[in-house]
Amino acid sequence: DARVTQTPRHKVTEMGQEVTMRCQPILGHNTVFWYRQTMMQGLELLAYFRNRAPLDDSGMPKDRFSAEMPDATLATLKIQPSEPRDSAVYFCASADDRAQPQHFGDGTRLSIL
Amino acid sequence: AQSVTQPDIHITVSEGASLELRCNYSYGATPYLFWYVQSPGQGLQLLLKYFSGDTLVQGIKGFEAEFKRSQSSFNLRKPSVHWSDAAEYFCAVGANTGNQFYFGTGTSLTVIP
Repeated sequence: DARVTQTPRHKVTEMGQEVTMRCQPILGHNTVFWYRQTMMQGLELLAYFRNRAPLDDSGMPKDRFSAEMPDATLATLKIQPSEPRDSAVYFCASADDRAQPQHFGDGTRLSIL
Repeated sequence: AQSVTQPDIHITVSEGASLELRCNYSYGATPYLFWYVQSPGQGLQLLLKYFSGDTLVQGIKGFEAEFKRSQSSFNLRKPSVHWSDAAEYFCAVGANTGNQFYFGTGTSLTVIP
């Protein structure tokens, strides 16, 4: 059963450190999304890519966050420097351009101390 | 502006009782509509989707939803709730072009014995 894989599942680090989260989309899916989920804000779209090109990253703090797709099988979300307010669960999702529904990974639970 | 509203933040039902979760949307074009479920510590799982055709759609786990264009609604229903249905439920709307999604804020379901 194809699925989106996210690593790491959990990350605890001190503020100021660089954090890198990785996502392997479902093979053949050409659209990748990054979301952040918190109790206060709910599910927020940070960025999304189609065919590896960033189409919208307006939801992402530009000064510290960056998202890339080095190749079709890997998407990364980096935070540098990290801050306690970045603590959240970060989800990656992928979709087939023609089939719409997004398939979510299990998320990376990030805690910044 | 596109938006999705889930008016009920939290719902409690007894096991075996029927369930209806509300979802209203505002969308300029013909919407694609989705319901997702999120269990604790996991990503979102697609329950069902509506693209076109029959306005009553069946999903997994015994769920169904009905699209009512005149009411801009896409309510989720289940005739008999099981304790394992306790989770967070998200309604989402998308477009028939592109892959932009809009999620509601979610409804938390508690099932009591």
